[in-house]
Amino acid sequence: QVQLQESGPGLVKPSQTLSLTCTVSGASIRSGRYFWNWIRQPAGKPLEWIGLIYTSGSTYYNPSLKSRVTMSVDTSKNQFSLKLNSVTATDTAVYYCARQSDIYGDFDYWGQGTLVVVSS
Amino acid sequence: EIVLTQSPGTLASSLGERATLSCGASESVSSTYLAWYQQKPGQAPRLLIYGASSRATGIPDRFSGSGSGTEFTLTIRRLEPEDFAVYFCQHYGGSPRVTFGGGTRVEIK
Repeated sequence: QVQLQESGPGLVKPSQTLSLTCTVSGASIRSGRYFWNWIRQPAGKPLEWIGLIYTSGSTYYNPSLKSRVTMSVDTSKNQFSLKLNSVTATDTAVYYCARQSDIYGDFDYWGQGTLVVVSS
Repeated sequence: EIVLTQSPGTLASSLGERATLSCGASESVSSTYLAWYQQKPGQAPRLLIYGASSRATGIPDRFSGSGSGTEFTLTIRRLEPEDFAVYFCQHYGGSPRVTFGGGTRVEIK
């Protein structure tokens, strides 16, 4: 079955860059039927969409984060990645990667989530 | 930018009762791109409904979705113990852009 797994540091210092990778198994990231997304959730708060990447490498970001976000894809490793620079405490959240259907725009598979704390 | 407003913020209900959750959009949206999720503490969201009214794989038929335009509803026909959770609506729109609602917590009365 399809599985997504986030990996990366759980603690990042303020002003530095948060870097996470999502490894996909059970499905090829090359499939043109899906988009690959990052979503985050501060403790006790709603979900916030960060951005998506197509297999082609085209990216679309949440305008509120656009100036600090970079996403990339490595089809040879079946992975996609997130970089968020100039982090502050407000970037502390559980970060999820998720697969999105290109037909209905829903997220059918999610990673388990990884907590990233921004603190010195 | 489309804003999704969910109501109520918290719904206290008893086992076996019917629960009705609302999701309002700030402007008319296509029902094709409206989805609902369930989230339990410490877990990732789980897709319940896509296309406003289609149940995802493995979702019990006590969950149903309806609506169009600016008003959408998730109904849980008879609450089971495992249904007490937080529910989010989500829209996928132009640009492209993804928006989530603020969530409704369903708790035991």
